[in-house]
Amino acid sequence: GEDVEQSLFLSVREGDSSVINCTYTDSSSTYLYWYKQEPGAGLQLLTYIFSNMDMKQDQRLTVLLNKKDKHLSLRIADTQTGDSAIYFCAEKEKNTGFQKLVFGTGTRLLVSP
Amino acid sequence: ETGVTQTPRHLVMGMTNKKSLKCEQHLGHNAMYWYKQSAKKPLELMFVYNFKEQTENNSVPSRFSPECPNSSHLFLHLHTLQPEDSALYLCASSQSRGAQETQYFGPGTRLLVL
Repeated sequence: GEDVEQSLFLSVREGDSSVINCTYTDSSSTYLYWYKQEPGAGLQLLTYIFSNMDMKQDQRLTVLLNKKDKHLSLRIADTQTGDSAIYFCAEKEKNTGFQKLVFGTGTRLLVSP
Repeated sequence: ETGVTQTPRHLVMGMTNKKSLKCEQHLGHNAMYWYKQSAKKPLELMFVYNFKEQTENNSVPSRFSPECPNSSHLFLHLHTLQPEDSALYLCASSQSRGAQETQYFGPGTRLLVL
């Protein structure tokens, strides 16, 4: 089956930039997503990128996609303590009829003051 | 996103109990999903309903029984569970509209099986 891999942990200081990386195996992925999960909560969609794009920017978030290397990254500028959470990368499997997402194991971001 | 609600938020049950998890979406979506989130494992897709019809059963044991009476409601009926079934159960919904169908998640039900 398809596989999505992420590093487990990232620690940064408040005000720094955070970069969370993800690699995936399905070259036919059409959309790739970043979700955020705060303690005790469900997954919150942060942003997504279509596979024919290299970059997408949304306020403090920048998504970079290297389709050749099957590498996706999420950059958070001016990281705040409220950004501390688990970040999940997900790819949409090529299918018909419904959206099947394959998730990574998540990267726990810890932002220290 | 607060359009997907789940109840209860926490549940403790014995292995011989029967309980149900409920999910409701207020987004007008036509697809609903159950996921299991265990510690240190990727999210596991359990069931998918598209227009109230089950379109995916990801090799889930029969002690988990889903029900989708309409496009807005999804249930997960639980019976004779095992301790390894303890996890966070997440519901999600999406609107089928071609290639891009964003899934919106509920807050989850934290289940502990004793």
